[in-house]
Amino acid sequence: DQQVKQNSPSLSVQEGRISILNCDYTNSMFDYFLWYKKYPAEGPTFLISISSIKDKNEDGRFTVFLNKSAKHLSLHIVPSQPGDSAVYFCAASLNRDDKIIFGKGTRLHILP
Amino acid sequence: DVKVTQSSRYLVKRTGEKVFLECVQDMDHENMFWYRQDPGLGLRLIYFSYDVKMKEKGDIPEGYSVSREKKERFSLILESASTNQTSMYLCASSPPGLAVGTDTQYFGPGTRLTVL
Repeated sequence: DQQVKQNSPSLSVQEGRISILNCDYTNSMFDYFLWYKKYPAEGPTFLISISSIKDKNEDGRFTVFLNKSAKHLSLHIVPSQPGDSAVYFCAASLNRDDKIIFGKGTRLHILP
Repeated sequence: DVKVTQSSRYLVKRTGEKVFLECVQDMDHENMFWYRQDPGLGLRLIYFSYDVKMKEKGDIPEGYSVSREKKERFSLILESASTNQTSMYLCASSPPGLAVGTDTQYFGPGTRLTVL
């Protein structure tokens, strides 16, 4: 059973607009959430994270929102740039455990 | 600068062969992980290790084994390669405990394995 779900396999957004990537989770015990970005032929790289005690974390163009009651988090990228075209993985962990559970990923295409 | 290296970027093997995938990290991290990435399935954890000579099964350990004889090196072994093990294999390492914004898993560039 999938604990971290990214229901959109792909998303296309015009350059300069906002990209919103969504993620749902089933385990209410998750207390730490992460987003990773992956380019083809490269390993994933850490993008941004949020603890369950917060509902928002911002880092430059990237903001992660957490809605614990809905078991939902989202990644906002504003403004979207061509270099943002990649696969984005949502991930979660239990009680700062060292193991991370990944979603299936969403491929983001930034259109010129 | 953080670095995780994997022995090969591309590998082609035949069904039934024994395959070794090597991963080395230079960050003195306790934790190391092996994942496979397949289209539509995301990253799935095969095995992980919290310390030298320690290993734990991930979500899909069948058909794989691992070895961690030294802290910096974590090997993934396919005892008898099969075509359904054709995949992108990713190694990662991390220090113990996750902290917000830091100390996350660091990934290698991946090995694309094709089993014919």
